[in-house]
Amino acid sequence: QVQLVQSGAEVKKPGASVKVSCKASGYTFTGYDINWLRQATGQGLEWMGWMNPNSGNTGYAQKFQGRVTITRDTSISTAYMELSSLRSEDTAVYYCARGVHTNSWYFDPWGQGTLVTVSS
Amino acid sequence: EIVLTQSPATLSLSPGERATLSCRASQSLSSYLAWYQQKPGQAPRLLIYDASNRATGIPARFSGSGSGTDFTLTISSLEPEDFAVYYCQQRSNWLYTFGQGTKLEIK
Repeated sequence: QVQLVQSGAEVKKPGASVKVSCKASGYTFTGYDINWLRQATGQGLEWMGWMNPNSGNTGYAQKFQGRVTITRDTSISTAYMELSSLRSEDTAVYYCARGVHTNSWYFDPWGQGTLVTVSS
Repeated sequence: EIVLTQSPATLSLSPGERATLSCRASQSLSSYLAWYQQKPGQAPRLLIYDASNRATGIPARFSGSGSGTDFTLTISSLEPEDFAVYYCQQRSNWLYTFGQGTKLEIK
């Protein structure tokens, strides 16, 4: 079955960087975009950016421009999201999700989420 | 940026009742809208895409309707497992946005 499995929880200090991985299985990794989203505790969903694993092309939400980098290793069907200059407001669960396009664009499936805690 | 506004913020109903959740867009989306369900401690799950198409494995009690700026998610007869938070989502100009969510709670 189509599945995205993310790396485990992280605790980082303010100013540090974090890199979260997302391993895809059950489909052709290069055939679909990978997106990254996040959700602070008790809050809604926020889209951060996307990557085309075939070309490596990326696009980022303006809010995260300059701080987020999405990369991939096609040999192991894995995407990565690195967020730098962490601050306490970046504490959240980070999700990867496969991007699907029919008439609309949507996310299916999602990874299980990775909790990133930023604390001194 | 297109803003999605969901209402109500919280909906209190009993199992067996009908639930109607609304999502209004600040600009026309045609039919380019998706709905997700999220339970505590879990990732969101796709329910509906293209405003009215059920995703694979989604029960027939879930239905979506609407176009333009007004969209509705209907759950015809609530099951205990349906109590969760529901989000609508759109993409335009390479930017994805979500509504703030509707919490469906047991009355």
